[in-house]
Amino acid sequence: DQQVKQNSPSLSVQEGRISILNCDYTNSMFDYFLWYKKYPAEGPTFLISISSIKDKNEDGRFTVFLNKSAKHLSLHIVPSQPGDSAVYFCAASPSMIKAAGNKLTFGGGTRVLVKP
Amino acid sequence: DTGVSQDPRHKITKRGQNVTFRCDPISEHNRLYWYRQTLGQGPEFLTYFQNEAQLEKSRLLSDRFSAERPKGSFSTLEIQRTEQGDSAMYLCASSFLGEATGELFFGEGSRLTVL
Repeated sequence: DQQVKQNSPSLSVQEGRISILNCDYTNSMFDYFLWYKKYPAEGPTFLISISSIKDKNEDGRFTVFLNKSAKHLSLHIVPSQPGDSAVYFCAASPSMIKAAGNKLTFGGGTRVLVKP
Repeated sequence: DTGVSQDPRHKITKRGQNVTFRCDPISEHNRLYWYRQTLGQGPEFLTYFQNEAQLEKSRLLSDRFSAERPKGSFSTLEIQRTEQGDSAMYLCASSFLGEATGELFFGEGSRLTVL
């Protein structure tokens, strides 16, 4: 039972354009969401997070949108840069406190390729 | 401190052998996690510790798997009688209780190949 799904396994975008990554979840108990980025031969690194009390969180070129009624979140990267080429994972937790002290449930990842 | 370190980075073993992975977390972090990642999938939670106490274990963690964190610092993950299905990347992560973002800091992983 995949509670967190990233339905697009890959995404190709031109440098300077917007990258939009999508994530859907099924568990109504999820209340806190994170995005991680992973380069080859490295561990995932934290990118941005959002609590369900918000519908948007922005950090530089990265913005995460949450639609709790649709159980859907998205990550926007604008403008996309070649260094953004990586695998992006969506993750969910029952709460922010639990995210730091409990398991995260990850999606399968989306591989992003930013072409120069 | 440069981050979470894992050893070995890659282990090739024959089916039936035992393997052990080591994780050294960021020194001030009191929480340590083990995840497993197979090809094309996201990381799956296996277990986590707060200091030396193992607080949760996933159903994925069969009896052949055991994890320890004896002094609340480094941790080991041992797999006994390895099977081909154990082939995966084993990721360790650490965090500090009270971290505002809920961020986990991951190591580079230990890749296991069971022949």
